[in-house]
Amino acid sequence: DAGVTQSPTHLIKTRGQQVTLRCSPKSGHDTVSWYQQALGQGPQFIFQYYEEEERQRGNFPDRFSGHQFPNYSSELNVNALLLGDSALYLCASSADSLIAKNIQYFGAGTRLSVL
Amino acid sequence: AQSVSQHNHHVILSEAASLELGCNYSYGGTVNLFWYVQYPGQHLQLLLKYFSGDPLVKGIKGFEAEFIKSKFSFNLRKPSVQWSDTAEYFCAVGGDSNYQLIWGAGTKLIIKP
Repeated sequence: DAGVTQSPTHLIKTRGQQVTLRCSPKSGHDTVSWYQQALGQGPQFIFQYYEEEERQRGNFPDRFSGHQFPNYSSELNVNALLLGDSALYLCASSADSLIAKNIQYFGAGTRLSVL
Repeated sequence: AQSVSQHNHHVILSEAASLELGCNYSYGGTVNLFWYVQYPGQHLQLLLKYFSGDPLVKGIKGFEAEFIKSKFSFNLRKPSVQWSDTAEYFCAVGGDSNYQLIWGAGTKLIIKP
């Protein structure tokens, strides 16, 4: 049973560029959440996708956008990259049920460096 | 404002010592509480969770946590740590009406052999 997979594992971009990160959820999961984890901090919620729509969004600017596909996989897009966007980006999947919706399974993350 | 506070950023213990990591939260409404662990080079893994019922919950690898509602706390404990417990530990809070998890900054635990 494959867990949550993310690609790429590492990425280096320059300021002003755009980046796309990808995530495949754990088998049987239909909900994908994205988090940003800066060095020395806990993850910060970016948004959650369910049924191909953004269901909830954290305190992130519109430069951060996403998409969910019919097979439940998801993409995170960041436009006009800033130095402060350098972080580990985590994808988490869950099953949308009353009990399980907060139980999230994480991928290994994509380390984004903005130069 | 919703927040989670983990009091110790770094903890160093010897093998067989007892462990307690503090977690306090500020959150309105019904809470779901979690401890996640991240071993070196690995992804975040769920250690234990509390939704309701018995406030003392047991997780994997001998860990347990106690929910004290009056203190807004969910401290993690282990009676006797092992070298393999070296990892970073995160406390997180969610709610029945909220899809996101609010995270603490994490505690890096180093166990000396």
